[in-house]
Amino acid sequence: DGGITQSPKYLFRKEGQNVTLSCEQNLNHDAMYWYRQDPGQGLRLIYYSQIVNDFQKGDIAEGYSVSREKKESFPLTVTSAQKNPTAFYLCASSTSHNTEAFFGQGTRLTVV
Amino acid sequence: DQQVKQNSPSLSVQEGRISILNCDYTNSMFDYFLWYKKYPAEGPTFLISISSIKDKNEDGRFTVFLNKSAKHLSLHIVPSQPGDSAVYFCAARRNSGGSNYKLTFGKGTLLTVNP
Repeated sequence: DGGITQSPKYLFRKEGQNVTLSCEQNLNHDAMYWYRQDPGQGLRLIYYSQIVNDFQKGDIAEGYSVSREKKESFPLTVTSAQKNPTAFYLCASSTSHNTEAFFGQGTRLTVV
Repeated sequence: DQQVKQNSPSLSVQEGRISILNCDYTNSMFDYFLWYKKYPAEGPTFLISISSIKDKNEDGRFTVFLNKSAKHLSLHIVPSQPGDSAVYFCAARRNSGGSNYKLTFGKGTLLTVNP
């Protein structure tokens, strides 16, 4: 089945630790995205990548880093510099054409 | 500055009636609009989209209307069903002008359909 997979679904980390969230897609999509959802805030764009080895900052990139070494994979690292890392993180992918983006099931990150 | 606005945080309707969810945008460069449905702790799922060259798109019980001059779009669900209860997000993107395919989302509207 084609789709986009995020892992793990729930993640707990201690304050000050970096953590990497996985996102893999087998839809052969060129573009991939990371969004963050907080209560009452909707979905805010962290980073996006339109081709391999290239990515751009979104609206709230501070404290995050990404890589795009393979077309299928777009991991997100939440660094200790991110002041409020506890949130629901969503990865998405799309073609480069006039179509919708497909989302993964999300990762709930809790920093204690 | 919020470029996509959903001014109603919540909406409650009776089963079988029409649900109307509204969305306004400020960026005149947006030319493709989408609606997503989201359940708690899950990823959003795509519902319906509309290009700026159209003013209406219909798919079963779902219809999206676009008023470009007012920078306003709405999602109509007829008839509403209890299973439609979810958060609905409006999103917009700029398809023209090169390589910018990112989606900008509104804050969402929680729809509750009462049996």
